[in-house]
Amino acid sequence: EAQVTQNPRYLITVTGKKLTVTCSQNMNHEYMSWYRQDPGLGLRQIYYSMNVEVTDKGDVPEGYKVSRKEKRNFPLILESPSPNQTSLYFCASRRASYNEQFFGPGTRLTVL
Amino acid sequence: QKEVEQDPGPLSVPEGAIVSLNCTYSNSAFQYFMWYRQYSRKGPELLMYTYSSGNKEDGRFTAQVDKSSKYISLFIRDSQPSDSATYLCAMSDPGNQFYFGTGTSLTVIP
Repeated sequence: EAQVTQNPRYLITVTGKKLTVTCSQNMNHEYMSWYRQDPGLGLRQIYYSMNVEVTDKGDVPEGYKVSRKEKRNFPLILESPSPNQTSLYFCASRRASYNEQFFGPGTRLTVL
Repeated sequence: QKEVEQDPGPLSVPEGAIVSLNCTYSNSAFQYFMWYRQYSRKGPELLMYTYSSGNKEDGRFTAQVDKSSKYISLFIRDSQPSDSATYLCAMSDPGNQFYFGTGTSLTVIP
């Protein structure tokens, strides 16, 4: 089954404790993105990657890191999480010339 | 001013009603216009997309784009309880950057 998977689905952590949210897709898509979704603000792009070893900042990159060492994986790293990073996070992927993005199931992160 | 504006609702309609969801945008460079549906505790899924001004129909759903007014709409005919979800409009620019509306929450009452 074609899908985007994220882990963990739910995470509660404390300020300053480094964490990684994994994202993997099995559709051989070139593009991968991370979004955060907040009430009243909608989906905002954090980082995106057009292919292996190519990443770029989205609208709200501060406090986040990403890497794209393999085509299928695009982990999101929070080196020192803060409470304002409490949010619902989505990973998405798509083919290079297509607009249809496939979203993962989401990761609900709470930073205390 | 946000790139994309969408009325958050919530919208509540009886089963069988026609639903109209709308978004406005400010960037005339936007090329692709999309509607995503997001069920509770799920990721968004693409419902429809259009490239140009005009209408596109898919079953009970019709997407309408008016580039001159920078206005897009999604119409749902014969709405069903299973249509209850949050609907997100989205647009992309020539650089393939995506911009999402905040979403409209829809409840269809049986």
